[in-house]
Amino acid sequence: NAGVTQTPKFQVLKTGQSMTLQCAQDMNHNSMYWYRQDPGMGLRLIYYSASEGTTDKGEVPNGYNVSRLNKREFSLRLESAAPSQTSVYFCASSEGQSNQPQHFGDGTRLSIL
Amino acid sequence: QKEVEQNSGPLSVPEGAIASLNCTYSDRGSQSFFWYRQYSGKSPELIMFIYSNGDKEDGRFTAQLNKASQYVSLLIRDSQPSDSATYLCAVTVDSNYQLIWGAGTKLIIKP
Repeated sequence: NAGVTQTPKFQVLKTGQSMTLQCAQDMNHNSMYWYRQDPGMGLRLIYYSASEGTTDKGEVPNGYNVSRLNKREFSLRLESAAPSQTSVYFCASSEGQSNQPQHFGDGTRLSIL
Repeated sequence: QKEVEQNSGPLSVPEGAIASLNCTYSDRGSQSFFWYRQYSGKSPELIMFIYSNGDKEDGRFTAQLNKASQYVSLLIRDSQPSDSATYLCAVTVDSNYQLIWGAGTKLIIKP
């Protein structure tokens, strides 16, 4: 009964390093999302994938790339990490369009030094 | 810029009382409204959602929509200390796949 699984849970990077955050869901959902959450701010959408094979930019896509590897997996890549990308990153999935509730993973706490 | 606004709180409510949380939205075309609960250091957890066609009650929770004034409310009856958390409101926009999120209201239930 895993739901949405994110790895890693914590990560510390140096400025300029790259890394990939992994996300997998076992609910057979079509749509997947990557958000960042900063103190005092709402969740901000980075990228989303409406269905397997498609990805689209959200509100704050700069500095990130994504890959929808298959229906289950959606990864987020930071090519050259910057301190401004220090945040908590959440992956979510939903059955389809925005009128369906999104279900969240446990998050990745990322610090960029 | 389409927005969702919530009072950041903290909102302090005695145990057993009714907690009332509000969320205003700017997009008159919004059709779906979601309430999530987030404990400190944890991920958002869906509490309930409603569509523009009506209110909903689920146990101690009631979500109400006022379309004319563009706000949605979450009422928590018989508040318990375990209800202490940040409550996030999310609203659909014209895109089929995106939600706009409020920053959340911190609720504290005092025993």
